[in-house]
Order: sequence, then structure tokens, then C-alpha cells
Amino acid sequence: RKEVEQDPGPFNVPEGATVAFNCTYSNSASQSFFWYRQDCRKEPKLLMSVYSSGNEDGRFTAQLNRASQYISLLIRDSKLSDSATYLCVVNTGRRALTFGSGTRLQVQP
Amino acid sequence: GAGVSQSPSNKVTEKGKDVELRCDPISGHTALYWYRQSLGQGLEFLIYFQGNSAPDKSGLPSDRFSAERTGGSVSTLTIQRTQQEDSAVYLCASSLLSAGASTDTQYFGPGTRLTVL
Repeated sequence: RKEVEQDPGPFNVPEGATVAFNCTYSNSASQSFFWYRQDCRKEPKLLMSVYSSGNEDGRFTAQLNRASQYISLLIRDSKLSDSATYLCVVNTGRRALTFGSGTRLQVQP
Repeated sequence: GAGVSQSPSNKVTEKGKDVELRCDPISGHTALYWYRQSLGQGLEFLIYFQGNSAPDKSGLPSDRFSAERTGGSVSTLTIQRTQQEDSAVYLCASSLLSAGASTDTQYFGPGTRLTVL
């Protein structure tokens, strides 16, 4: 079983739609959680950290459910520019991060 | 300010040759990481450097892979006797890793796309 699992998608949604991605992780001792965004043939960039209480940044909301060991990302009012691959990232206690394979989002006009 | 830089951006080599990939982290960042990403796959951790501590090499796939970090700054990833399965994008990241933090935001370089023919 992979340490971090994501639905690869693609999720094809119209502009303005709300879309949600989930991610599950296997190591219950995981300490830190992040969502990174990766555009095609570009490097990953931090989108947001995920806090236990849930956190919001503009149109983006991230939530953590430790009991069920999953993380979610909600994007409201999708823009064309949101089209990218969203990587679920977990710190399992090592310094390096463990990345999911990513969920691809395609926002259509 | 300057971000993480990597060179070369693209490298095409023949099977069996050695290659060196370079990473310049953000100035002042004490932690440096190497990952690789195969086509359509997630990032695979390779090696991690933190200050003067011994590197965490647990992700290196074989003894053909090695890395060093000179002077706590620039890092070089070397792949000896390259194989076709080594073809991937090799990404370097750095972080500030402030005292007491279990992890910090990692900032990635643009990567080196390695193609082994």
C-alpha cells in the first residue's frame, strides 16, 4: 500500500464549479500535511499547509481528519488557471516529504 | 530573491555514461533534498542533507547514485553507469528548517530532465 494515495483523476469541471479532492495516508504518526500544486512540466509549489482545525485561503479550503487519516482540498469558484495537478504531501517524521502521485484538475470554459 | 536553481535543465546521455546534476539552494537554507519524478508519477525521495549532519541516503535506489553537498550550499547528484530506467526529472528542494520545526516549506528548483538513450 502506498504511504499517500490520491485519485489520479482527471477531474474535468466547468469554470465556477466547486471541486474537492481527498487523499489518504497510511502512517498514523504523520505530523505535517500539505497540498502542493504542480503545473505541467513545472516544479511543485506549496499551495497550502493543512492544519488540524482546517484552514482556508481564499477559494481554497483544506481539512485534516486524523481519525480517518485523510486530507481534503476544496476549491470553490474554479478558474481556468486552477488547472494543474494537486499533490497531497505528508511528513511522516523523516525530514523529507512523502508525495502522493497527484490529482489532475482540468477546468473547462 | 533568487530561488532554487538547477543545471542543466535538460540532459540527454547514452546508457552507461555518468552524469552530474547540480543544485543551488536558496541562500541561508540549511536543508537540501533531492527527489526524482518519473513521467506521470509522484515524487520519489532520494537523499536529504541538513547542515553538517550525515545525509539521509535512504531513498537512493542503487549504489550508482550518490550525492554530495559542498560547504553546506551547492549539491551535486551523480549517477554512474546510467540506465534507461534512470530517465526522469530530478528535482532539488531546499528549506530553512528553523529550530524546533519538524519540517519546513520546501522550495523546489525547476528540475533537470534526464533522458538516457
